[in-house]
Amino acid sequence: QKEVEQDPGPLSVPEGAIVSLNCTYSNSAFQYFMWYRQYSRKGPELLMYTYSSGNKEDGRFTAQVDKSSKYISLFIRDSQPSDSATYLCAMRGGSNYKLTFGKGTLLTVNP
Amino acid sequence: DTGVSQDPRHKITKRGQNVTFRCDPISEHNRLYWYRQTLGQGPEFLTYFQNEAQLEKSRLLSDRFSAERPKGSFSTLEIQRTEQGDSAMYLCASSSPAGELFFGEGSRLTVL
Repeated sequence: QKEVEQDPGPLSVPEGAIVSLNCTYSNSAFQYFMWYRQYSRKGPELLMYTYSSGNKEDGRFTAQVDKSSKYISLFIRDSQPSDSATYLCAMRGGSNYKLTFGKGTLLTVNP
Repeated sequence: DTGVSQDPRHKITKRGQNVTFRCDPISEHNRLYWYRQTLGQGPEFLTYFQNEAQLEKSRLLSDRFSAERPKGSFSTLEIQRTEQGDSAMYLCASSSPAGELFFGEGSRLTVL
């Protein structure tokens, strides 16, 4: 079993839809959770950074963490064609800043 | 631009040649990381530095790979005797004191 599991998709939605992206993990030492957006042939761009269980909102993006279920989500409201990218979840333990990534989910938002 | 800078963006080389990538982190960040990403996969950790000290190396980093960070500023990643399996995107990141990792645009290696 991989430490971080993420459905690779692809996921295709119409413009304006609500998108839900998810990851599960097995390592209970993970305490910090991140979502990155990566456009083709570009580096990952940090979208959300969370620590505790619960929700964190930033504009159209909401990150949700459920440590008891070892499950994290990213919601995108009012999705736009410019949101078309690969979304990577990443996580780490407390003192070690080394990240473990999911495989990424390829999202396409159709106009 | 004060983000993480990587050079070159793309390198095409023949099998057996040596290649070197350079990373300039965000200036106030003292931790620097190298990751490798192949098509359809998430980035995989290779190594990291705190200032000039290399503190951890992945088993992915074979003897043909070497990374340095002289004076705790920029870093280089050298691959000797390249193999076709080394073809990948090599990503550099630096971390803020809060632990957020910021990545550069990557250096894409193609080994023919």
